[in-house]
Amino acid sequence: DTEVTQTPKHLVMGMTNKKSLKCEQHMGHRAMYWYKQKAKKPPELMFVYSYEKLSINESVPSRFSPECPNSSLLNLHLHALQPEDSALYLCASSQDRVRRSQYFGPGTRLTVT
Amino acid sequence: GENVEQHPSTLSVQEGDSAVIKCTYSDSASNYFPWYKQELGKRPQLIIDIRSNVGEKKDQRIAVTLNKTAKHFSLHITETQPEDSAVYFCAASSASGGSNYKLTFGKGTLLTVNP
Repeated sequence: DTEVTQTPKHLVMGMTNKKSLKCEQHMGHRAMYWYKQKAKKPPELMFVYSYEKLSINESVPSRFSPECPNSSLLNLHLHALQPEDSALYLCASSQDRVRRSQYFGPGTRLTVT
Repeated sequence: GENVEQHPSTLSVQEGDSAVIKCTYSDSASNYFPWYKQELGKRPQLIIDIRSNVGEKKDQRIAVTLNKTAKHFSLHITETQPEDSAVYFCAASSASGGSNYKLTFGKGTLLTVNP
């Protein structure tokens, strides 16, 4: 399996809702990433997990809470989001810090109303 | 931190022509340079990457060149086809400290290949 999968594909949530985004890979990669992408912009790094430990947090607001339950799964818990958080949320994975090629999932299109 | 500049922002070519996209980076410690293709509504797709110990890498119609002295790298697409139309992002990553994981992206180039 050479793919990163993400669910759901689309999500609409109100500002008071709590929801979670899920990401899965079965390539044996030990680094996993969350990115946010706005229209016509490059992906913007949010979090990096390396060997299931949080390695990088790019000063992301606490309404975004990442979780890495095991080496294949990555979650992003969402709570009290703002309309400006509407974006495409991309998950990616890479083998490790040396073999750095990152492979992206298809993303979750999030709309906050 | 690293800064990556990408040019041009838009590029229109005729089918069969070549396309060149150029990027410059600021951090001399950067040593890994991937290129991504993103079609509308799709995921960024890694199409080629190069490490600083080589100057050029080819994969069929795609090639990347790296000039470490000048701190720039370029993507070359030959014999362009309409399905090459997409946004292309360059990126750079440093091996220093905890930066291995972090990709700094250019702002993207919208390539249009006209039939």
